Amino acid sequence: EAQVTQNPRYLITVTGKKLTVTCSQNMNHEYMSWYRQDPGLGLRQIYYSMNVEVTDKGDVPEGYKVSRKEKRNFPLILESPSPNQTSLYFCASRHRGGVGGEQYFGPGTRLTVT
Amino acid sequence: DQQVKQNSPSLSVQEGRISILNCDYTNSMFDYFLWYKKYPAEGPTFLISISSIKDKNEDGRFTVFLNKSAKHLSLHIVPSQPGDSAVYFCAASDNYGQNFVFGPGTRLSVLP
Repeated sequence: EAQVTQNPRYLITVTGKKLTVTCSQNMNHEYMSWYRQDPGLGLRQIYYSMNVEVTDKGDVPEGYKVSRKEKRNFPLILESPSPNQTSLYFCASRHRGGVGGEQYFGPGTRLTVT
Repeated sequence: DQQVKQNSPSLSVQEGRISILNCDYTNSMFDYFLWYKKYPAEGPTFLISISSIKDKNEDGRFTVFLNKSAKHLSLHIVPSQPGDSAVYFCAASDNYGQNFVFGPGTRLSVLP
C-alpha cells in the first residue's frame, strides 16, 4: 500500500529535550516536505526537500532541522524544543513532476512541549 | 499577513444541495491552486487542483473555479453528501511546486 508513515503519532516532551520525528514514504517520491498545523493558521511549511541531500527552508523553519540522506526518509529534528513548537505536524511527499503539485500526507504527529 | 485566505471558518449545507467553499489569495506569482480535504485524526488528502492558465477544472462532483483578476477561487461540491463533512484547505504553489501556502481551512458540515 502506497503511504507516508510518521512516528511517533503522539509525543509529550519537556523544553530543551532533543527529539526526532521520523517520516518515510514507499512511493519513490523525490519531493518531501514538513508542515505544522495550528488553529486558525492552516498548514505552514517548515522545510522541504527536492531530492536526496537537497533541502530548503519553508515559511517557518526556525527551531527545526531536517536531513535527507535517503530518498524514502525525511526526519524532522527539534534540537531544543520550546512550548511554541507544540503543534500537529504533517509530513508529505510527491513526485517532482506531479501535475498540479498533489502531495500525499502522513497521518500526523501531535507534539506537546511542556 | 496570510497569502491564502479562507474567510469562512465553517459552512453548513443540506445533503443534496451545493456546497461552495471560497478562497482568496494575494500573491499573483502563484501558478497552481489545490484543494485538500481533511478528516479528524488523518492527514489531508488531495481533492482537485487547477493551473493558473485555466479558469475551471472539474472532477466528478467537484469543480474548482479560478478568477485570476479577482485573485479568487472556489470549490463547488454538487450534490453534497454527508461523507463530504470535513475541513477543506485551499493551497497555492509556485510553478516549481516547491513552496506551498495553505489557507486556514473551512469546516464543512453536510446535514442529512
